[in-house]
Amino acid sequence: EPEVTQTPSHQVTQMGQEVILRCVPISNHLYFYWYRQILGQKVEFLVSFYNNEISEKSEIFDDQFSVERPDGSNFTLKIRSTKLEDSAMYFCASNLRDVTGELFFGEGSRLTVL
Amino acid sequence: SQQGEEDPQALSIQEGENATMNCSYKTSINNLQWYRQNSGRGLVHLILIRSNEREKHSGRLRVTLDTSKKSSSLLITASRAADTASYFCATDTRAGTALIFGKGTTLSVSS
Repeated sequence: EPEVTQTPSHQVTQMGQEVILRCVPISNHLYFYWYRQILGQKVEFLVSFYNNEISEKSEIFDDQFSVERPDGSNFTLKIRSTKLEDSAMYFCASNLRDVTGELFFGEGSRLTVL
Repeated sequence: SQQGEEDPQALSIQEGENATMNCSYKTSINNLQWYRQNSGRGLVHLILIRSNEREKHSGRLRVTLDTSKKSSSLLITASRAADTASYFCATDTRAGTALIFGKGTTLSVSS
């Protein structure tokens, strides 16, 4: 069964360092998303991406964050200068249609900022 | 915020019992979805109910939607230990907008 894959599964970084989280969405999907979940808390929307541009972003997704689809398969989230409060599980998701339907999530990348 | 709020925050039941979780939201919605998350894992879609639907079933899952009360419920019948997980409702205000998740209900089913 097709699945969304994310790498790395866990990354530890020092405050102020740049981090890139990678995702390979399901191959025929057109819409891509990043969410984050601080340990034990709610799942928060960060950004949605379609047709090589951001279609929607939340207030969390400030200038420190960026997304890119550098080729036909990868979808990346970059955090330019990490803060302690960026420590969270980051989930990539994708879906096929242009109306909101089922999102397919990856297993997440746990980011720990020291 | 249109964010859903699940109730209760935590629920503990015995195998074989039914589990009911509720979700309330603040603004009108396009769809409401329920997702499940096993500890430390990604979210898995369970069921989607459209704003013009009132009830939907999928296996042991039954979802209701009351748009006048801005609320939904998820019923899991004949629960199993494997149903132990967190359950989230998620809503979008219109087609193509982001799904916004609630805080979740943590369900623990003991055998």
